Amino acid sequence: GQNIDQPTEMTATEGAIVQINCTYQTSGFNGLFWYQQHAGEAPTFLSYNVLDGLEEKGRFSSFLSRSKGYSYLLLKELQMKDSASYLCAGGYNKLIFGAGTRLAVHP
Amino acid sequence: EAGVVQSPRYKIIEKKQPVAFWCNPISGHNTLYWYRQNLGQGPELLIRYENEEAVDDSQLPKDRFSAERLKGVDSTLKIQPAELGDSAVYLCASTHGRERETQYFGPGTRLLVL
Repeated sequence: GQNIDQPTEMTATEGAIVQINCTYQTSGFNGLFWYQQHAGEAPTFLSYNVLDGLEEKGRFSSFLSRSKGYSYLLLKELQMKDSASYLCAGGYNKLIFGAGTRLAVHP
Repeated sequence: EAGVVQSPRYKIIEKKQPVAFWCNPISGHNTLYWYRQNLGQGPELLIRYENEEAVDDSQLPKDRFSAERLKGVDSTLKIQPAELGDSAVYLCASTHGRERETQYFGPGTRLLVL
């Protein structure tokens, strides 16, 4: 079977750092994606990991451990505009999305 | 480069009525996906096309849902008849079709069935 779990909601303060975790169980694996989705908008691509380790891209970084079926998205220097849902997605022939983590950034 | 285009953006219908959604993928993208996203959930794949061929429609409720991509470019998703539980956002995404490729999503059609 295929299953992706992530926390439902998180809150953080502007300027802080937040880590959004994702665990997955898939019958096959072909990489782990993170997408950002603002309310009422389409998901937009943030990052992709296929090998173990940390991928850094500006204020956003993503980590993958294939042996543990675990990934996280790290957001630094949080801004109000980072308030959104963050979707973890993985799979082999097709992407399975988690339910998303709603992040609220407060002043 | 234009992104994935979908129309309409919003649709309100009464139950048992038919409804259709249209998607035009990014130019040159051979693979097209239709997803349904319920409130507070992630997108769930309904159907995937490689050019004009539906290669994965295992999650498509075939009793009431149908889709086509006749010329391998734009696509239409239809529901007939619609039920209350079909209220959701219907997202279209596309890629070139290469392995491990990022999917680019359209803005979606928000459907409300009354």
